[in-house]
Amino acid sequence: QKEVEQDPGPLSVPEGAIVSLNCTYSNSAFQYFMWYRQYSRKGPELLMYTYSSGNKEDGRFTAQVDKSSKYISLFIRDSQPSDSATYLCAMRYNNDMRFGAGTRLTVKP
Amino acid sequence: KAGVTQTPRYLIKTRGQQVTLSCSPISGHRSVSWYQQTPGQGLQFLFEYFSETQRNKGNFPGRFSGRQFSNSRSEMNVSTLELGDSALYLCASSYGGAQETQYFGPGTRLLVL
Repeated sequence: QKEVEQDPGPLSVPEGAIVSLNCTYSNSAFQYFMWYRQYSRKGPELLMYTYSSGNKEDGRFTAQVDKSSKYISLFIRDSQPSDSATYLCAMRYNNDMRFGAGTRLTVKP
Repeated sequence: KAGVTQTPRYLIKTRGQQVTLSCSPISGHRSVSWYQQTPGQGLQFLFEYFSETQRNKGNFPGRFSGRQFSNSRSEMNVSTLELGDSALYLCASSYGGAQETQYFGPGTRLLVL
């Protein structure tokens, strides 16, 4: 079993839809949780960074962490074609970073 | 602030050759991590350098090595290249604390023929 599980998709939604992306993890030591967005042939860019359980909102993006269930989510409201990318969840404890496999999202106009 | 830069952006090598990739972190960042990204394996951690010392290492063979200079710039070397080394190599920098997040460069795309 991988430390971080993420459904690779692909996920295709119409413009304006609400998108839900999820990751589960097995190591309860993870303390910091991140979501990265990666466009084709580019490096990942940081979208959201959270520490505690609960929700964090930034514009159309909401990150949710449930440490008791070892489950994190990223919600994208009013999705746009420009949101089409691969979304990677990441988590960290001490100096160790672990990434999910990434979910490829396509938002169709 | 300028972001993380990586050179070269693209590289073609043949089996058995060696390659050196370079990464310049964001100004003030002392930690540089290297990752290999492939369609099948995703992002895999290679190693991390902090203040010129290797602080963490992933499960890669000894053909993969790195170093960090006093100005925090880092290089990664792969010797005796294999076809399976074809990948996007990403470096990421941070201030180095356990709570710090990492910022990625654009990557170097390596193709081994």
